[in-house]
This record gives sequence, structure tokens and C-alpha cells, in this order.
Amino acid sequence: QSVLTQPPSPSGTPGQRVTISCSGRSSNIGSNTVNWYQQLPGTAPKLLIYNNNQRPSGVPDRFSGSKSGTSASLAISGLQSEDEADYYCAAWDDSLNGQVFGTGTKVTVL
Amino acid sequence: EAQMLQSGGGLVQPGGSLRLSCAASGFTFINYAMTWVRQAPGKGLEWVSVISGSGGTTYYAASVKGRFTISRDNSKNTLYLQMNSLRVEDTALYYCAKGLLNYVGGGCDYWGQGALVTVSS
Repeated sequence: QSVLTQPPSPSGTPGQRVTISCSGRSSNIGSNTVNWYQQLPGTAPKLLIYNNNQRPSGVPDRFSGSKSGTSASLAISGLQSEDEADYYCAAWDDSLNGQVFGTGTKVTVL
Repeated sequence: EAQMLQSGGGLVQPGGSLRLSCAASGFTFINYAMTWVRQAPGKGLEWVSVISGSGGTTYYAASVKGRFTISRDNSKNTLYLQMNSLRVEDTALYYCAKGLLNYVGGGCDYWGQGALVTVSS
């Protein structure tokens, strides 16, 4: 069961800015860093943001992450058709002694 | 570049066992934690288990604890997931993933291609 809550399915037109929220609690987001993953249809997840706001090499700077308290956000600016995918947040949970994922958010590019 | 090649998936009856393997290359295997994540058909990602670089620290999701065992052979650069007492609800695509660091609580930067496990009578 997902412990981190994400909005269902935002959509946007090319060029727009889309923001995805991730709500947790003190034992996970409130105490540990947040990572974001992008999963294109039929493929394995890809690390998009780590340590709240760091981008791995090769990830466009259109993607940015932030964290405040027990919530985190992923922003996609200049939305492109290839950004149509499922996005998941994740964080370690000190109470569960395990990683927890968000419920997932499907971004649709109109 | 890091690569993980997975094997061992298949069809098994409820109550049966299966072992997944994940052969790693392109990085110093012992220096990184390794994780298993699964995804049931049409569902989201679910963390399963993690193991430290030395193999001395392991954690499991409550849904698999006592039934699944994560292990690694650093001499063979291979990660394993032994799955016993399988249930229908364990049906999923199982991914192995490399940790960013030798830290069990961190993110994963490289993922395997996935191995499908189907539990059905």
C-alpha cells in the first residue's frame, strides 16, 4: 500500500508548467530525502530527481524538485509530448524501516 | 554504465517458490546497496526489499517479510530474491535496482528490465 499521496492525473498542453505534489508524514518525507521517478509506458522506472532537488546527469533542467516539511513537489516546465508518463515520489520511512512510494501520477500532454 | 540483467521469472502455483537473479555490471557492485521493487499489472510501484553492499543489512516490506529473502554474491556481482510461500497477490513485474550509494535508504539510479512472476493455479 502506498503511504505517500499524489494527485491522480494532471494534464497540460505543450509548453505549460505542471506541478505534482507528494504528501507524506514526519516519519518519511519529514525525516528523509525525496526521490522522483519517471516511468514511460512499458519501461522500467527512471530516476528523475534525488535528494529532494538534484538531477542525475542527462535529466533536462525542465524537471525540478522541492521539499517543505512533510510534502514534496515535482515541477515540469515547458511540457513536452515525451513527458507523458507516470511519475512516482519515494522516500525512506523510519517507522516502517522501508522505502515507500507515492500512489503515482499520470501526466497527459494534450 | 551500470547494467542489470534479470532472470528467473515465471509461472508458479500458490504456495510455491521461485528465485530471481540480477546480474550486475559496469560498477563496483560491493560499493552499492541493491533493491527489489515490484509492480502488479496496471498498478503502481511497491518496494519489496533492500540489502547493503556487504549484505549485512537487509530490510523487507511487511507484505513479504518472512516469505522472501534478499541476498547477494559480491564475488559474482549478482543479487537474488528467494520467494517462498508465494501468493496470488505476489503476481507482478519484479525490478532490481542499484542504489545511489551504499545506503539502504537512498534512491535507485539504474534499473533492470524486470522479471514477470505469475502466481496462479
